[in-house]
Amino acid sequence: AQKVTQAQTEISVVEKEDVTLDCVYETRDTTYYLFWYKQPPSGELVFLIRRNSFDEQNEISGRYSWNFQKSTSSFNFTITASQVVDSAVYFCALFIQGGSEKLVFGKGTKLTVNP
Amino acid sequence: DAGVIQSPRHEVTEMGQEVTLRCKPISGHDYLFWYRQTMMRGLELLIYFNNNVPIDDSGMPEDRFSAKMPNASFSTLKIQPSEPRDSAVYFCASSLWETGNTIYFGEGSWLTVV
Repeated sequence: AQKVTQAQTEISVVEKEDVTLDCVYETRDTTYYLFWYKQPPSGELVFLIRRNSFDEQNEISGRYSWNFQKSTSSFNFTITASQVVDSAVYFCALFIQGGSEKLVFGKGTKLTVNP
Repeated sequence: DAGVIQSPRHEVTEMGQEVTLRCKPISGHDYLFWYRQTMMRGLELLIYFNNNVPIDDSGMPEDRFSAKMPNASFSTLKIQPSEPRDSAVYFCASSLWETGNTIYFGEGSWLTVV
């Protein structure tokens, strides 16, 4: 069975701090995709990144970076120099290619960035 | 490019009434998903279609829920009769298998059943 665990339910930081959101996944499949989505207070789900299981390169996009480590089944997300606009719920998700085609979500981490 | 479009954005209805949620996927996408988000259960998949055909509806909670996709550009999720416990945010999402199935979500339909 597939499972995604986001152990941090809520995180609160002060603006300009760096913050890392943890994601641990479980699957026996060798081909899969990992995602991060952002859900701001307005409620929509915004796609941030997709990473496939064969690409362990870390990725950086502006203030956002992702660390994928298959050895620990983790796909952590770091926001550098956080801003108030980063306040949102962040979801990590797992997708098995050729399986149930189901995107399995973690419970989400609520990030609050205070001015 | 237009994203996934859902309507209505907000709906308040009385228990027992029929509710129809609508979705227009991203043009060219071959997968369409309906998800429900609640505080208790988080985000859960209700049903998904591939090329307009329902593939897995195991997440549909009860017979009161039904979904259709009459063509590649339109899908509906219907609840009849509605109950207060159906109150949730319903998301439609779509993806294209060929490009690795990045799943894009609509803005959600916020349903309140009173």
